[in-house]
Amino acid sequence: QKEVEQDPGPLSVPEGAIVSLNCTYSNSAFQYFMWYRQYSRKGPELLMYTYSSGNKEDGRFTAQVDKSSKYISLFIRDSQPSDSATYLCAMSHYTGANSKLTFGKGITLSVRP
Amino acid sequence: NAGVTQTPKFRVLKTGQSMTLLCAQDMNHEYMYWYRQDPGMGLRLIHYSVGEGTTAKGEVPDGYNVSRLKKQNFLLGLESAAPSQTSVYFCASRRDSRVPRGEQYFGPGTRLTVT
Repeated sequence: QKEVEQDPGPLSVPEGAIVSLNCTYSNSAFQYFMWYRQYSRKGPELLMYTYSSGNKEDGRFTAQVDKSSKYISLFIRDSQPSDSATYLCAMSHYTGANSKLTFGKGITLSVRP
Repeated sequence: NAGVTQTPKFRVLKTGQSMTLLCAQDMNHEYMYWYRQDPGMGLRLIHYSVGEGTTAKGEVPDGYNVSRLKKQNFLLGLESAAPSQTSVYFCASRRDSRVPRGEQYFGPGTRLTVT
């Protein structure tokens, strides 16, 4: 079993839809959870960050972590064509010098006008 | 600030040739990383550095070497390229461990094809 599993997609939704993106993980030591957004032919950029369990909201984006189920989600409200990108979840045990991020494979989202 | 830059943007190599990918960051970050991204495989860590003069192996280090002679630069070398090294290579940097977010800033990538 991979440490981080992410639905491979792709996912296509109409403009204005609510989008739910999910990752599951197997390692209970993960404490820091991130969502990166990657536009085509660009590098990933940090979209949301959450420590431990709980929700975090930033505009149309909400990140949710359920450590008891080892499950994280990213919700996008009122999705826009500009949200079309690949979304990667990432997580780490700690933030020390030798900490590393473990990434999901990413899911490609297309928002149709 | 330019952030993280990578040189070159594209390269085609023949099997057995060598090359060096250059990563530069102007944010005075301590930590730097090299990843490769392949379809269906996600981002995989090749090597990383936690400071000038230091390097360490990541998940997929075989066939690659790295050097961090200057804090702002992190070089990735392929001594004898193989078709399996065809990939998109990303460099990333992180300020240091005092930043609790653990955020990594990524460069735009280098697309490498080995024929």
